[in-house]
Amino acid sequence: DFQMTQSPSTLSASVGDRVTITCRASQTIGDWLAWYQQKPGKAPKLLIYQASNLEAGVPSRFSGSGSGTEFTFTIRGLQPDDFATYYCQQYNSFYSFGQGTRLEI
Amino acid sequence: QVQLVQSGAAVKKPGSSVKVSCEASGGTFSDSSISWVRQAPGQGLEWMGMIIPIFGVPNYGQKWQGRVTITADESTSTAYMELNSLTSGDTAVYYCAATSGIAVPPRGLPFEYWGQGTLVTVSS
Repeated sequence: DFQMTQSPSTLSASVGDRVTITCRASQTIGDWLAWYQQKPGKAPKLLIYQASNLEAGVPSRFSGSGSGTEFTFTIRGLQPDDFATYYCQQYNSFYSFGQGTRLEI
Repeated sequence: QVQLVQSGAAVKKPGSSVKVSCEASGGTFSDSSISWVRQAPGQGLEWMGMIIPIFGVPNYGQKWQGRVTITADESTSTAYMELNSLTSGDTAVYYCAATSGIAVPPRGLPFEYWGQGTLVTVSS
């Protein structure tokens, strides 16, 4: 199985900040990585696929990078609506998720 | 735009089974894969397994082998997830999620579409 390790598990920030989340894979996954946003009581929402591609309709303040085993997810200019939990997901070999990063005010 | 509508909340006894449905509309059911994802209270996302309806062969996460059965009915554009031998630890929200297109397993595709989630409560 491919294990995905996200850090940090919790991140405190303010509106307007830039924040970065890291995701590490236990084995190389190429760029077969996605990032999701989840708000309480809601289903996750796809933000980024193939490590750095922005899903249609997702604001450009969200970005992703990396390949192999190391990936980063960045939000530039945090908006109030961005406070949520974020997950990485590898889809190189079936699927597995990171444990999540809760972004709080 | 694909929409996934799941069956309603369920309360089950320990040792019993639960079957959750996921009906797709607005897209091509046969041109996608359907996965099931579990989220226990206050916990993260856990992939359980998937099916590509046109192939009909499910794939399961190691943890779920032997306890979960995933099926799909192309005629009704509906996928199903049945979980057996329930314990209180299975109390969770279960989501179905669909891809746009098909990749040959084990390679996958990101989950573009999600159902609303089904809360399964296991309690005596």
